[in-house]
Amino acid sequence: SQTIHQWPATLVQPVGSPLSLECTVEGTSNPNLYWYRQAAGRGLQLLFYSVGIGQISSEVPQNLSASRPQDRQFILSSKKLLLSDSGFYLCAWSVGSGLEQYFGPGTRLTVT
Amino acid sequence: QQQVKQSPQSLIVQKGGISIINCAYENTAFDYFPWYQQFPGKGPALLIAIRPDVSEKKEGRFTISFNKSAKQFSLHIMDSQPGDSATYFCAATLLGGGADGLTFGKGTHLIIQP
Repeated sequence: SQTIHQWPATLVQPVGSPLSLECTVEGTSNPNLYWYRQAAGRGLQLLFYSVGIGQISSEVPQNLSASRPQDRQFILSSKKLLLSDSGFYLCAWSVGSGLEQYFGPGTRLTVT
Repeated sequence: QQQVKQSPQSLIVQKGGISIINCAYENTAFDYFPWYQQFPGKGPALLIAIRPDVSEKKEGRFTISFNKSAKQFSLHIMDSQPGDSATYFCAATLLGGGADGLTFGKGTHLIIQP
C-alpha cells in the first residue's frame, strides 16, 4: 500500500531563517507530487506540483521554491522566511490524471 | 477563471440532524467532483466523489447530489454524529485534465453538537 511521509511535524523558525520541508512517498512509482499551504481557518492553496524528477510547476509566485531530486521525494525550501510563511504545509500525491490526491500528515510551520 | 465556491463557511448541526454543504462551479468542462474531509491537525482525506453522469451518489451516511444544469453539487451527511465534526472541502477537475487537476473550495468547518 502507498504511504506518504512529511517531516518535521512541527517547526518554529525565526524570520529570515532558511526552510527545508521534506515529503516522501512509498509504494508507488512516478507519482505526481504537490505542495499546498493552508493558513489558519483557510482553504488549500496549491503552491507547487511536479509530474517528474526535476519538473516543477509553480502556482503562486512567492518566497518559496520546490525541488524533486528523486522520483518519490519532494522538497519545499525558502532562503529567508517571512512572517506570512506561517501555516500548515501539506504534501500530496496522485497518479495518472490526478483525479484523487492523497495527502500527508502536514507540517505546522510558525515563523516568529 | 476556474473557481469552486463553497458555502457555508461554518455550520453547526445537532447530533442526528442533516448537514448540508453546497458548492458551485463555473467551468462547465469540469467532470469529476470529489469531497475531502479534514480533521484538526491532519491532512485532508478523500471522502466521496461523483461524476456528472449521475445525479446522486450515496456511501453510508454521506450523499453527493449533483445538478449539472445549475452547476452545483452538495454534500449531505445524514444522522450527523460528533465524529463528523471536521472541515469539508469540495473540489472539481477534468477527468483528462492533467496532474494539476483539483480546484478546491475554501472549506466548511462543521461542528456537530451532542
